[in-house]
Amino acid sequence: EVQLVESGGGLVQPGGSLRLSCEASGFTFSTYWMHWVRKVPGQGLVWVSHIDSDGSRVSYADSVKGRFTISRDNAKNTLYLRMNSLRAEDTAVYYCARARLSDPYYYDSSGLLHWGQGTLVTVSS
Amino acid sequence: QSVLTQPPSVSAAPGQKVTISCSGSSSNIGNNYVSWYQHLPGTAPKLLFYDNTKRPSGIPDRFSGSKSGTSATLDITGLQTGDEADYYCGTWDSSLSAWVFGGGTKVSVL
Repeated sequence: EVQLVESGGGLVQPGGSLRLSCEASGFTFSTYWMHWVRKVPGQGLVWVSHIDSDGSRVSYADSVKGRFTISRDNAKNTLYLRMNSLRAEDTAVYYCARARLSDPYYYDSSGLLHWGQGTLVTVSS
Repeated sequence: QSVLTQPPSVSAAPGQKVTISCSGSSSNIGNNYVSWYQHLPGTAPKLLFYDNTKRPSGIPDRFSGSKSGTSATLDITGLQTGDEADYYCGTWDSSLSAWVFGGGTKVSVL
């Protein structure tokens, strides 16, 4: 069974930093692209970032570019999101999600099949 | 403001049909596959459709997806109270080099 378990959320002051983790199990982590998606209370899902299977290619939403860094450790089956210079508008539940297809079959619009339960990040003084 | 446009809400009585539209452009829906997600508060989002029309295993055929040009549609027939949730379309935007979601549509069963 595929499982994705996020951790690392919490309360942080504006301008602060936080590192989220997503521990994966039940599949060959090193062959899948992974994504971070967030849900602001009262608003919709917003894609944050993705990373390819070996960590060499990453993309970010404009709203987090230059502040957030996605990375992965395939030996530990873990995805990360380092968040710096946090703002109130970054307050959200952050989900990690696994691409539907593994390499070499992945394509950008192939969909996100498995999702974690999310971790809440609150940016407030 | 989302790149993909969805109606904020739709509603119908049990057993009836609802249709959720998702409008985009040539850089996203027009040249990429669309997927749909169901999200109940406090739970993980669930993939309902991929590649415009394909259902993952376990998704009932009361749900159907389609795409035409730069728009996509999700239909739910035989509406049930358990279908009350937020529904999102999503795809890759080739110009933005980013995944984009619609703003979400809340389905209510009257």
